[in-house]
Amino acid sequence: KAGVTQTPRYLIKTRGQQVTLSCSPISGHRSVSWYQQTPGQGLQFLFEYFSETQRNKGNFPGRFSGRQFSNSRSEMNVSTLELGDSALYLCASSLARQSMNTEAFFGQGTRLTVV
Amino acid sequence: AQKITQTQPGMFVQEKEAVTLDCTYDTSDQSYGLFWYKQPSSGEMIFLIYQGSYDEQNATEGRYSLNFQKARKSANLVISASQLGDSAMYFCAMREGTDQAGTALIFGKGTTLSVSS
Repeated sequence: KAGVTQTPRYLIKTRGQQVTLSCSPISGHRSVSWYQQTPGQGLQFLFEYFSETQRNKGNFPGRFSGRQFSNSRSEMNVSTLELGDSALYLCASSLARQSMNTEAFFGQGTRLTVV
Repeated sequence: AQKITQTQPGMFVQEKEAVTLDCTYDTSDQSYGLFWYKQPSSGEMIFLIYQGSYDEQNATEGRYSLNFQKARKSANLVISASQLGDSAMYFCAMREGTDQAGTALIFGKGTTLSVSS
């Protein structure tokens, strides 16, 4: 069974540009969550999507947005990129909506560098 | 307030030795789940082990066990018989159980484990 696939793996963008990252969850999984990982702030939750609806959102500015398609694939978009957006962006999929004991399976991440 | 605390930035161990990675957590919820993930240099987060707040026995998965002390709010990961492939970053994480809108994983800062031969 294929794991969580994130594309692209690496990305270099210029300040002010926008970027779209893609995540294909494990087949049959309906929940997708996104996390940002930086050396300074560690791993921080961005948002969760389930059945094409955003169910939960972390404390990030509106420049960060996402969506989920009917096949459960998800995209996240960052507009007006800032240097501080340089990070590893991780996507996690789960079979159902995330609850106390839901195991999340992560992809390898997209490493975004903003110059 | 920080909810997951991992006090060991780095740990060094010899092959075949056991190692304990510390994790303390803070929550007022009675229902919560505790997770450990491994992150090799490739970046992928690999699930290792889970402990629910109502589980009376410590979780065990192969060479991994979780030393759960609820009163102390600690959930230490024990790796027995370390292998070179265990060298990675290890994260402790928690999900609280009362948010009906869905709960995010809250991660600690991580511990880098280095295993030498």
